[in-house]
Amino acid sequence: GAGVSQTPSNKVTEKGKYVELRCDPISGHTALYWYRQSLGQGPEFLIYFQGTGAADDSGLPNDRFFAVRPEGSVSTLKIQRTERGDSAVYLCASSFGTLTDTQYFGPGTRLTVL
Amino acid sequence: KQEVTQIPAALSVPEGENLVLNCSFTDSAIYNLQWFRQDPGKGLTSLLLIQSSQREQTSGRLNASLDKSSGRSTLYIAASQPGDSATYLCAVWDDYKLSFGAGTTVTVRA
Repeated sequence: GAGVSQTPSNKVTEKGKYVELRCDPISGHTALYWYRQSLGQGPEFLIYFQGTGAADDSGLPNDRFFAVRPEGSVSTLKIQRTERGDSAVYLCASSFGTLTDTQYFGPGTRLTVL
Repeated sequence: KQEVTQIPAALSVPEGENLVLNCSFTDSAIYNLQWFRQDPGKGLTSLLLIQSSQREQTSGRLNASLDKSSGRSTLYIAASQPGDSATYLCAVWDDYKLSFGAGTTVTVRA
């Protein structure tokens, strides 16, 4: 079956602009995660959804970042007033939802803020 | 906050040599530990997951050990091949959150 997909694969924007990044999880996975990977670093946790609700958004760096998952499937990460420091690869992962389930990662969206 | 460190940051070996990748973490109260592979421009591929009650996991040429008391895990890759060239990431589970190291970039020379 299809894995986790993310669109776009690359996004270039200007400082101050608004961007949306999309994640399509594996069908049937109730848990969805967003991570951010800066150059030369490992991914850092941003937010975790169980179903439609954000169970843990403690990793979001500030209130410019917001994520939704209105129907419990596709999720959108939204970044307002982008800054150059937001440049990174944004990874999405999904799992069946219990604490022992492996997270399956998508290929990521590379965001570049000029 | 859990801190995960991977040493070395980069490694270059001739084909056929065994690889030893190290991962250390600061909080031993972990749930699971997982090793991933990341190819340039690609997402993460899970290699091995060691549950907290286990000491090691094996898959083919890969073997990962876990010593929670000392806060260490080691990934062994036997008889390396050029196709093993990638970045290897260690991740510690804190319930559902993964805390990652910065990775070890491996180059296997033909």
